[in-house]
Amino acid sequence: ETGVTQTPRHLVMGMTNKKSLKCEQHLGHNAMYWYKQSAKKPLELMFVYNFKEQTENNSVPSRFSPECPNSSHLFLHLHTLQPEDSALYLCASSQDPGVPGNTIYFGEGSWLTVV
Amino acid sequence: EDKVVQSPLSLVVHEGDTVTLNCSYEVTNFRSLLWYKQEKKAPTFLFMLTSSGIEKKSGRLSSILDKKELSSILNITATQTGDSAIYLCAVEVTNAGGTSYGKLTFGQGTILTVHP
Repeated sequence: ETGVTQTPRHLVMGMTNKKSLKCEQHLGHNAMYWYKQSAKKPLELMFVYNFKEQTENNSVPSRFSPECPNSSHLFLHLHTLQPEDSALYLCASSQDPGVPGNTIYFGEGSWLTVV
Repeated sequence: EDKVVQSPLSLVVHEGDTVTLNCSYEVTNFRSLLWYKQEKKAPTFLFMLTSSGIEKKSGRLSSILDKKELSSILNITATQTGDSAIYLCAVEVTNAGGTSYGKLTFGQGTILTVHP
């Protein structure tokens, strides 16, 4: 139990579907993140939200749309994805990126398969 | 472009062996280096290193940062089968003004397999 909970754990979707990934953190943190882990590639940052404001968009295609209604919840809305978007999507949180010693804690991930 | 490279990419040892995993980085504005362990699920935090030459230790695991060589090592002594995992190294950077947005740049990971 990492304090960062992701649902669903596994998702299979067609290229025309619309689905969402959900993340909730119970650590009282102020920053939340989406990372993508593809086979044989390093973990890659997608989005950062700090105090509900998006502070980083790492050139992510618009078919991925994040939403952060409050500091405890983060969504990733998925629309018209491609098979190469199949990957493990990891949510993470941390206390405050502006503070030295900011440790980032990860959830268990959502395995996404696009067919 | 910020870059983190880990070596070796994979390692197979027997229980009781000692292993050393390497991480080197080329980044513009270094803030900290982190090690994570990933076993088919969430990467779990091991160490955060910010100062050169100060060893961090947790049980059989230890790590040290060398800012002059832009590298870090993770040592595991008396390995056990439960140490089998992917070990990830990541570097946090700041912008030119010294502000961090919590962005981690990860290496490819080292796959460690410990046989009984």
